[in-house]
Amino acid sequence: DSGVTQTPKHLITATGQRVTLRCSPRSGDLSVYWYQQSLDQGLQFLIQYYNGEERAKGNILERFSAQQFPDLHSELNLSSLELGDSALYFCASSVFASGGAETQYFGPGTRLLVL
Amino acid sequence: GNSVTQMEGPVTLSEEAFLTINCTYTATGYPSLFWYVQYPGEGLQLLLKATKADDKGSNKGFEATYRKETTSFHLEKGSVQVSDSAVYFCALSGSGGYQKVTFGTGTKLQVIP
Repeated sequence: DSGVTQTPKHLITATGQRVTLRCSPRSGDLSVYWYQQSLDQGLQFLIQYYNGEERAKGNILERFSAQQFPDLHSELNLSSLELGDSALYFCASSVFASGGAETQYFGPGTRLLVL
Repeated sequence: GNSVTQMEGPVTLSEEAFLTINCTYTATGYPSLFWYVQYPGEGLQLLLKATKADDKGSNKGFEATYRKETTSFHLEKGSVQVSDSAVYFCALSGSGGYQKVTFGTGTKLQVIP
């Protein structure tokens, strides 16, 4: 158990809909990272927040957005969903925002299926 | 930009066989290198890491040595167990200021009794 929690575990929805994925980092960690894992694209970094502020952006679509709240939990919002958005979405956390050699701790993921 | 290339799977081995999963990277400067493991139905876990050239990371019988001259970080284990069946990801984080982690595509390992 990494100490990172994600809800829900599974999500089934229809094209065009909007969903919110939630992540609670390990106690004491200030950074939250979001990743998308799909069969064709592998593990892709989406976005990072550090202590409430956006810190780095990766391959995140404009239809997707995220935020980190004062209690440090984070939400990833996916809108106008398409079939291709079906994937595993992972959240990870770390103590600081330095990237580098800092270890990231991953949650169990949310499996999204868009029908 | 930074990139990681690892051998395609799946890799199927018998229990107690020797394991090598190849990983090479492209990056400027002196990146940090990682191996993460993903067991079925779980998130990724850090397996080992190395932060400078010639460093050897090791954990749970797995080892990898940071070879700058060949830009490689191959994962090895002398005797695999069925419980090692998982997907293994090589990753790197660049040097100098903030750098995001870049992951390889993953190599699935299946160990049969």
